[in-house]
Amino acid sequence: AQSVTQPDIHITVSEGASLELRCNYSYGATPYLFWYVQSPGQGLQLLLKYFSGDTLVQGIKGFEAEFKRSQSSFNLRKPSVHWSDAAEYFCAVAISGNTPLVFGKGTRLSVIA
Amino acid sequence: DGGITQSPKYLFRKEGQNVTLSCEQNLNHDAMYWYRQDPGQGLRLIYYSQIVNDFQKGDIAEGYSVSREKKESFPLTVTSAQKNPTAFYLCASNPRQGAGTEAFFGQGTRLTVV
Repeated sequence: AQSVTQPDIHITVSEGASLELRCNYSYGATPYLFWYVQSPGQGLQLLLKYFSGDTLVQGIKGFEAEFKRSQSSFNLRKPSVHWSDAAEYFCAVAISGNTPLVFGKGTRLSVIA
Repeated sequence: DGGITQSPKYLFRKEGQNVTLSCEQNLNHDAMYWYRQDPGQGLRLIYYSQIVNDFQKGDIAEGYSVSREKKESFPLTVTSAQKNPTAFYLCASNPRQGAGTEAFFGQGTRLTVV
């Protein structure tokens, strides 16, 4: 079965600094890959997704992610973090469009002035 | 506006009582899902349904039951057999067809059992 690892439980960055959240997956083939964001007490909002093509994908709110097949990774990046980016971020995979998403345990992002 | 509606947002129940969480979608999506979220655990799949009148167990189905009598609705019942029901519950849906289709989420129901 596929699994997703987000190594960092909690990250703190200064406003305006760059950000990289790590995600590694375990699956034989290339799965469909997603990043979601969750504000406290809310549902999840899709930031971006990858299923084929260009390995650098752009998402909403200035986020991007890069798929690296050799490392089984799909790391999320943002060049300059805003205080409103403070939230929990989840990486997820699916082996096809018809299967449920499998989520990592999430990374909580704090932003300091 | 199209979307997924979960109700209620907060729910309190006494231990030993069954409780049903509502999930309705007007996106015309075929597939619907229930996830449970606990701090530090991410989202874990409880049940999912890819078509009306059919559903499958997820990773943590024990103590839960579902039905899918209508395409728009996928209610989740938390039974008294669920040993630790206090959690945040999220419902999601997706069109099921096509590559890379993401899941859309409701706003969640926080269940507290006392």
